[in-house]
This record gives sequence, structure tokens and C-alpha cells, in this order.
Amino acid sequence: DVKVTQSSRYLVKRTGEKVFLECVQDMDHENMFWYRQDPGLGLRLIYFSYDVKMKEKGDIPEGYSVSREKKERFSLILESASTNQTSMYLCASEIAVRGEQYFGPGTRLTVT
Amino acid sequence: DAKTTQPNSMESNEEEPVHLPCNHSTISGTDYIHWYRQLPSQGPEYVIHGLTSNVNNRMASLAIAEDRKSSTLILHRATLRDAAVYYCILRDVGSGGSNYKLTFGKGTLLTVNP
Repeated sequence: DVKVTQSSRYLVKRTGEKVFLECVQDMDHENMFWYRQDPGLGLRLIYFSYDVKMKEKGDIPEGYSVSREKKERFSLILESASTNQTSMYLCASEIAVRGEQYFGPGTRLTVT
Repeated sequence: DAKTTQPNSMESNEEEPVHLPCNHSTISGTDYIHWYRQLPSQGPEYVIHGLTSNVNNRMASLAIAEDRKSSTLILHRATLRDAAVYYCILRDVGSGGSNYKLTFGKGTLLTVNP
């Protein structure tokens, strides 16, 4: 089975802190994604990557950056956390053009 | 993005079949129909997808109308573990860029009664 893991299930950070969310997949998938999920807004794409060192902005990239130095690992970085970035963050991966995305368990981030 | 319409909620009894409908009247010829579900406190889980023909896998069946303007996800025997929000999503995998994203709507909350 495909496995996508995320570094933390729950995280509490202070406003202004730099936050790293890590995602690792074990199936050699080309594409990896970061979404956030908020009540009433559904899942929204932040960034995605279709190859090592390649990235593209999603719908809401402001305040975030990403890093993909190895194929299996995709990191989401909040340069200076703000309270409006309190959310559930979900990582996903997929084989290119296969169309099935596999999600991690999510990280619930609270910024105080 | 082409839009989908699903009922807000549905209820079923354990061990009975469940038919979850989805309308997508503005679907384009290269849109695939995807279904995902999300159990409480978990990330979404891929269920099934198809283009024109009906599809079956170990989790469910997908019945696609001949005009492709609607589809139905069929759970053959609902269990308590099938209680989740089910999302019907259109995705054009024929091109790259922002079409890689999945656009989740509100979905259908399925309640399974014992």
C-alpha cells in the first residue's frame, strides 16, 4: 500500500515563528501536493511539485514556500506564521498522470 | 473548473447498498470523474475514478450515465467504517499545470446506522 506520512499530527506555534511541515512518500511518486483544509472552504491547493526541485503555485501560495530536494520528501514552510494560517494541512502524492492522489493523515497546526 | 452537485447528507443501514449521486452537467470530454472519501480526523482517501465506462474496484462501483452528466458511487454493503464525507470531483488529467489539483466541494455526509 502507498504510504504518505507527515511529520506531526498536531503542532502549536507562536505568531512569527518559522514552521516546517514535512511529508514523505514511499512509492516513488513524481507529483506531490500541499493542501490546507478549513471548515466551509474545503481543500485548497497551496503548492505542488512535479519533480525534484520543481514546484508550482496553487491557489493560495501567499505566506508559504516549499522545498523538494529529494523525490520522496516535500516540505511546506511557513516563513513567519500568522494566526490565519491555523488550519489542517494535508500532503498528497500521485504517480504522474495516474490520477489517484494518496493523502497523509494531516497536520493540525495552531498558531497562537 | 466544471462543477459537481451532491446531496448534503444521506443515511443508510449497515449491510445495505448505498447509492451516492453526483450531477456534473457541465462536464467536458476530457474530465475524469473521481470519488474520494474522508473519514473523521483523517486525510481524504481515493475511492474510484472513471471516464465513460462503469468501473469496479474492491471498495466500490462507479456507474456513469451515458451522457456523462451524472454518476453514482455504489457501496455494495455499507459498514460502519464507511461513514464519511464522500466527494465527487471532476479532474482533467489531460493537461498539466493547475489541472493537477483536486477541487473538493462540500461532499455528501454518509451516516451508516447499525
